[in-house]
Amino acid sequence: GESVGLHLPTLSVQEGDNSIINCAYSNSASDYFIWYKQESGKGPQFIIDIRSNMDKRQGQRVTVLLNKTVKHLSLQIAATQPGDSAVYFCAEEPSSNNNDMRFGAGTRLTVKP
Amino acid sequence: ETGVTQSPTHLIKTRGQQVTLRCSSQSGHNTVSWYQQALGQGPQFIFQYYREEENGRGNFPPRFSGLQFPNYSSELNVNALELDDSALYLCASSGGRANEKLFFGSGTQLSVL
Repeated sequence: GESVGLHLPTLSVQEGDNSIINCAYSNSASDYFIWYKQESGKGPQFIIDIRSNMDKRQGQRVTVLLNKTVKHLSLQIAATQPGDSAVYFCAEEPSSNNNDMRFGAGTRLTVKP
Repeated sequence: ETGVTQSPTHLIKTRGQQVTLRCSSQSGHNTVSWYQQALGQGPQFIFQYYREEENGRGNFPPRFSGLQFPNYSSELNVNALELDDSALYLCASSGGRANEKLFFGSGTQLSVL
């Protein structure tokens, strides 16, 4: 079946650098995508979302890019801080009949001081 | 505005037993989704409840069942527990529309011995 996946399981960056986390999806019918952040012992926390009619969306220090041609999603974090250390998941909504989200395996981001 | 709350936070059961996990949805939300998150994995969709009816199900056996109550709170029941059922069980609520982000609780950590 189709599923969401991630290119790298871990990412280590220096504090103050920019981070880029990538995600590949294979369900061409998906039209809504979300990035979640999960800290240890907590549930996933919403970061930013994007609909398929957009290529880019910016939030506070975060930007999501969507390339529908190659079915690729990325999360860019500017000026990465120690508090950004967590596991990041991309999720897709494969059906507009309900809004169950399907998650990838996640990328662990570690920020070095 | 109250967030999504789950109980209990931790639970230990033995193989073959039954378990009930509870979730209170965020104020104003009528849809509850349940996810299973194994260690080091992304959340896997179990099922979703909308207005007290199951509204979508993932690849989980019938021994995983649920309920939603008139106040939109929900229960997840798992019968005949297996060792592989050990995981973090996450509840998420939303307004039930397509292209709408899910809000997650902190989860119930279930250990099956």
